Amino acid sequence: ETGVTQSPTHLIKTRGQQVTLRCSSQSGHNTVSWYQQALGQGPQFIFQYYREEENGRGNFPPRFSGLQFPNYSSELNVNALELDDSALYLCASSSKRGGSTGTDTQYFGPGTRLTVL
Amino acid sequence: AQTVTQSQPEMSVQEAETVTLSCTYDTSESDYYLFWYKQPPSRQMILVIRQEAYKQQNATENRFSVNFQKAAKSFSLKISDSQLGDAAMYFCAYRSAYNNDMRFGAGTRLTVKP
Repeated sequence: ETGVTQSPTHLIKTRGQQVTLRCSSQSGHNTVSWYQQALGQGPQFIFQYYREEENGRGNFPPRFSGLQFPNYSSELNVNALELDDSALYLCASSSKRGGSTGTDTQYFGPGTRLTVL
Repeated sequence: AQTVTQSQPEMSVQEAETVTLSCTYDTSESDYYLFWYKQPPSRQMILVIRQEAYKQQNATENRFSVNFQKAAKSFSLKISDSQLGDAAMYFCAYRSAYNNDMRFGAGTRLTVKP
């Protein structure tokens, strides 16, 4: 069974640029959630994708957007990067049945460390 | 909004001893799920244990067990026979049964002394 993978591992961007982070879900999982983890803090929920559509969103501005592909992999896009976007970005996959919410346990990838200069 | 509080930024335990990590949460919902995740220096968040709010029995996974007190909104993690590999950041998390937003606490850094 293949676990959740993320790319790249590290990334350095400058303020105002755009970035795309990628996530491959665990085999058999159809749902991907993205989190931002600032240094010394717990992860914060950005959004979730299920069946290629956004299925819940946290308190993040529209410049944070995403995609999910037919193979259930996902991308997180961040436009107009700000210094405060520097963080570890975590992707988690799970298996959702019939749109139900609470029964799926999320399994995390190793994260992408984004630094904005 | 639901919040999760971990009041112990750091904890230390001697190898082979037992340690308890605290977590409290605030919610008005009746149906939810609680989790403990471990994040070692490798950064990957690893699921330790999960508890459904509707279950009265405390979850147990080998050396890891929880003390779930629903009325008190408390969800502590007990690690028995601590091992050096248990050293990590531990995060408590709350997940509503009605939406997809999982809320994490600020974490507790556990050190295991040989």
